[in-house]
Amino acid sequence: GEQVEQLPSILRVQEGSSASINCTYENSASNYFPWYKQEPGENPKLIIDIRSNMERKQTQGLIVLLDKKAKRFSLHITDTQPGDSAMYFCAATNSAGNKLTFGIGTRVLVRP
Amino acid sequence: EAAVTQSPRNKVAVTGGKVTLSCNQTNNHNNMYWYRQDTGHGLRLIHYSYGAGSTEKGDIPDGYKASRPSQENFSLILELATPSQTSVYFCASGDPGQQDTQYFGPGTRLLVL
Repeated sequence: GEQVEQLPSILRVQEGSSASINCTYENSASNYFPWYKQEPGENPKLIIDIRSNMERKQTQGLIVLLDKKAKRFSLHITDTQPGDSAMYFCAATNSAGNKLTFGIGTRVLVRP
Repeated sequence: EAAVTQSPRNKVAVTGGKVTLSCNQTNNHNNMYWYRQDTGHGLRLIHYSYGAGSTEKGDIPDGYKASRPSQENFSLILELATPSQTSVYFCASGDPGQQDTQYFGPGTRLLVL
């Protein structure tokens, strides 16, 4: 399969600071990169995504950066709040664009 | 957001028994997916489908079958359940026209004894 590496696996941050999660992918033909947030006992929910024709996207305190040359993309949560504590997953499409490969997830813990 | 439902939400099965997990989506998405989620592995694709009558193997299909009898329904079948199949299973649907954004169901927690 096509691998997506996600780091770190656990991220502890102070409330009000920023949190950054990094992912790398193997397939240079990947063209869609969603990020999902999963609360305990809940399903993964799409929070932001970026397509390969963009380098940066921002929405509601979230910033996604894409570096196609390095095959790397990242999620930045600005001004973290306790409600941002959750699991976060990155994903990338395969070359046909019909399957997603997920990273193993990052547990974000926001300390008050 | 797509409405994806799963049943049952919780299931206890015995080793060697047959288990069927059901998924229904009401947004007329062509593609549907079955994943399992385990600590340390994230979400791994078991089977997927492009539409009614179609099933494709994902990354970890061994021990699982799938059935897509209609646009709305996609089932995952464990013919002979094993304890290693204890996991949380998520169904998702998506539309290639939307770059395959996928929307997940609430999940099914399966325990195989």
